[in-house]
Amino acid sequence: KQEVTQIPAALSVPEGENLVLNCSFTDSAIYNLQWFRQDPGKGLTSLLLIQSSQREQTSGRLNASLDKSSGRSTLYIAASQPGDSATYLCAVPKEAIFGAGTRLAVHP
Amino acid sequence: DAMVIQNPRYQVTQFGKPVTLSCSQTLNHNVMYWYQQKSSQAPKLLFHYYDKDFNNEADTPDNFQSRRPNTSFCFLDIRSPGLGDAAMYLCATSRIGGVQILGETQYFGPGTRLLVL
Repeated sequence: KQEVTQIPAALSVPEGENLVLNCSFTDSAIYNLQWFRQDPGKGLTSLLLIQSSQREQTSGRLNASLDKSSGRSTLYIAASQPGDSATYLCAVPKEAIFGAGTRLAVHP
Repeated sequence: DAMVIQNPRYQVTQFGKPVTLSCSQTLNHNVMYWYQQKSSQAPKLLFHYYDKDFNNEADTPDNFQSRRPNTSFCFLDIRSPGLGDAAMYLCATSRIGGVQILGETQYFGPGTRLLVL
């Protein structure tokens, strides 16, 4: 059964840093992978969806890459801001399997 | 705006007292999901509907039931809530659950936080 792991579990950085969040999955036979943002006590907001045929997707300061062969995806956040503070989750939508998330804190 | 709506946002119930959480969607998606999320954990899929077809996850307790009377609405019934059922309950939709060219982006509601006293 598919397993999704996210490292690190928590990350604290000063404002302005570029950072990378990691997601790994055990079964590389995926159709796509999705990144979400979750603010405390709130639902999930979709950030990026990468199809299995794609290597990366970009939205503003966010860039997500996908390497199926190695079972990895990364979310790159450029020039981080305090408003980026949240938990970031990756998921394999078709199997509805989520990682536990990386809790990001960006301090001024 | 098209969206996924969950009511109520916060629900307090007593130990053993049945409770129903509701979800509605204006996206006209044919798949609706219910997830349970406990603090600092990954959302865990309880079940999903593909149109009227109900799909229960193997490890979902019998205490949890669901109803989907039409495309727009889906309910989560907890027959006898225990203290361990206190969690955030997330409803999500997607356009189709099988293989499709555009993929299965899931759209989430804001969640209902359940407290069991």
